[in-house]
Amino acid sequence: EAGVAQSPRYKIIEKRQSVAFWCNPISGHATLYWYQQILGQGPKLLIQFQNNGVVDDSQLPKDRFSAERLKGVDSTLKIQPAKLEDSAVYLCASSWRIGRTSGRAVSNEQFFGPGTRLTVL
Amino acid sequence: ELKVEQNPLFLSMQEGKNYTIYCNYSTTSDRLYWYRQDPGKSLESLFVLLSNGAVKQEGRLMASLDTKARLSTLHITAAVHDLSATYFCAVDLVVTGAQKLVFGQGTRLTINP
Repeated sequence: EAGVAQSPRYKIIEKRQSVAFWCNPISGHATLYWYQQILGQGPKLLIQFQNNGVVDDSQLPKDRFSAERLKGVDSTLKIQPAKLEDSAVYLCASSWRIGRTSGRAVSNEQFFGPGTRLTVL
Repeated sequence: ELKVEQNPLFLSMQEGKNYTIYCNYSTTSDRLYWYRQDPGKSLESLFVLLSNGAVKQEGRLMASLDTKARLSTLHITAAVHDLSATYFCAVDLVVTGAQKLVFGQGTRLTINP
């Protein structure tokens, strides 16, 4: 089974430029996540999709970050314009589904892609 | 707001020794995950703990979950150099229909020969 694919793996840009990242989840996974991982910290959720709908974007800086998953499969995350503090690894993850079955939450085990390391100069 | 705290944050140990990493969280949850991250790499799923009292073992690693104490532990037995990595716990949180993971800060484990 192919894993989560991301591209590019590395990107260096200057502040105020724009950048876009792409993610293709594991086949059949309904839920897709974008995380930001700053060096030395745990991943922080930016946005979560179920199929092509946004479930949670409460921690997405919407003045500069945007994301879409138009056909419910692959997704893009864009930053425009970038700031120095956006330097981080951007991780994409996917899981089978979220929600509850008979009142009990199902496992939300997430599978992560290799990430894109962004450096903003 | 859910807080997930790991300790220690840094751990240097000798091969052959045993040690435990602790993960405390602040809100009720009965789902917890452990991940491993090697330098420059992505996160690899280690354990999925889905109920109070759950215990999972894989090789020299064993994870447990006590939902009443809001505590999970990752125990390392007879450590070997290959286990050097950063370990994250992540707690499953349900918020208004969304189910998401909140990660701890990570424990950077270095195992010396």
